[in-house]
Amino acid sequence: NAGVMQNPRHLVRRRGQEARLRCSPMKGHSHVYWYRQLPEEGLKFMVYLQKENIIDESGMPKERFSAEFPKEGPSILRIQQVVRGDSAAYFCASSVTGGADNSPLHFGNGTRLTVT
Amino acid sequence: KQEVTQIPAALSVPEGENLVLNCSFTDSAIYNLQWFRQDPGKGLTSLLLIQSSQREQTSGRLNASLDKSSGRSTLYIAASQPGDSATYLCAVPPVNNDMRFGAGTRLTVKP
Repeated sequence: NAGVMQNPRHLVRRRGQEARLRCSPMKGHSHVYWYRQLPEEGLKFMVYLQKENIIDESGMPKERFSAEFPKEGPSILRIQQVVRGDSAAYFCASSVTGGADNSPLHFGNGTRLTVT
Repeated sequence: KQEVTQIPAALSVPEGENLVLNCSFTDSAIYNLQWFRQDPGKGLTSLLLIQSSQREQTSGRLNASLDKSSGRSTLYIAASQPGDSATYLCAVPPVNNDMRFGAGTRLTVKP
């Protein structure tokens, strides 16, 4: 049973370009979370999605950032017109159920975005 | 709003030592608490999940305890090895979909 798969592992973009980060949750998991980790800092929640629905996007910047989790295919975190401050590691996690349930989170290895 | 704090921020010990990592949280109304390990440049690996109704959970040389009333959890590592060197994070699950992580304790075990 494959774990949470994220790709690409490393992504380099010039300022103003778009970055698309993909996350395939573990088999049987329908809840996906995205986190951002800046160097030497902890993980910050960005967005929580279920299939075809955004449940909570309170941690995601209102501009340039968007996320989706379609019925078929991986979850996508999209960053438009990237700036140097977007450089970070972006982690995806999935769980069987979300919210108040006791199912643990399983993390992918992350995508390291570098904006030049 | 839930705040999670981990002390110490960094710890360096000789191989073989037993050690304790600390995690505190401000809102005791939690469902569980999860400890993770993160190696440099890698993702997070779940170590232990301790339910709110439990006092402790054990896996191999790791033992996690939970005291909800005081807002504390500890991760005990017995007979530490160089391979244990990593950053250890505690996290409170998404009660309101905003899972809170501590900043982590960076552990170095010297051979």
